[in-house]
Amino acid sequence: DVKVTQSSRYLVKRTGEKVFLECVQDMDHENMFWYRQDPGLGLRLIYFSYDVKMKEKGDIPEGYSVSREKKERFSLILESASTNQTSMYLCASSLKGYEQFFGPGTRLTVL
Amino acid sequence: DQQVKQNSPSLSVQEGRISILNCDYTNSMFDYFLWYKKYPAEGPTFLISISSIKDKNEDGRFTVFLNKSAKHLSLHIVPSQPGDSAVYFCAASARSFGNEKLTFGTGTRLTIIP
Repeated sequence: DVKVTQSSRYLVKRTGEKVFLECVQDMDHENMFWYRQDPGLGLRLIYFSYDVKMKEKGDIPEGYSVSREKKERFSLILESASTNQTSMYLCASSLKGYEQFFGPGTRLTVL
Repeated sequence: DQQVKQNSPSLSVQEGRISILNCDYTNSMFDYFLWYKKYPAEGPTFLISISSIKDKNEDGRFTVFLNKSAKHLSLHIVPSQPGDSAVYFCAASARSFGNEKLTFGTGTRLTIIP
């Protein structure tokens, strides 16, 4: 079974803090993705990566950055958290040409 | 600009009957379509997919239909069971163009009434 794990299920941060969300997959997938899910908006792609040290912007990259130093790990960074970044964050991974497998999500609240 | 649309935010169906969830898309480059199911406090799980070279794909109780001329796909669940109550997302990608990105719809909350 593919396993995608995310470092925290729930996180509460203050405005202006730097926030790290970690994602690890154990199936040697090339592709990794970060989404946020908001009511009425579905899942929106923030960033994705096709390989180690490679990254591409998704549809809503503003205010976020990512890091992929190892194949199995993809980190999402909020440089200076703001209240409009309160959301459910979902990580996914896939083999090239196949469906994406998702982690359980991190519910981030920025106060 | 919403390229993948699920116009019904919610749907209620009696247990044992057929559930039909609909999805429309606008981007002609989309050639691969997927349905995901999501329970509260969990990540989405893959259900079924269809390539644009087909118009139907079946997997057990789940069937996806694709109408390319109408840019419309639907997911049929028959018979519906209480465990099917969840939010369903359709997603699309332009896979033959080497694009692994998925564009998701806004989701339909399905409630199965016992």
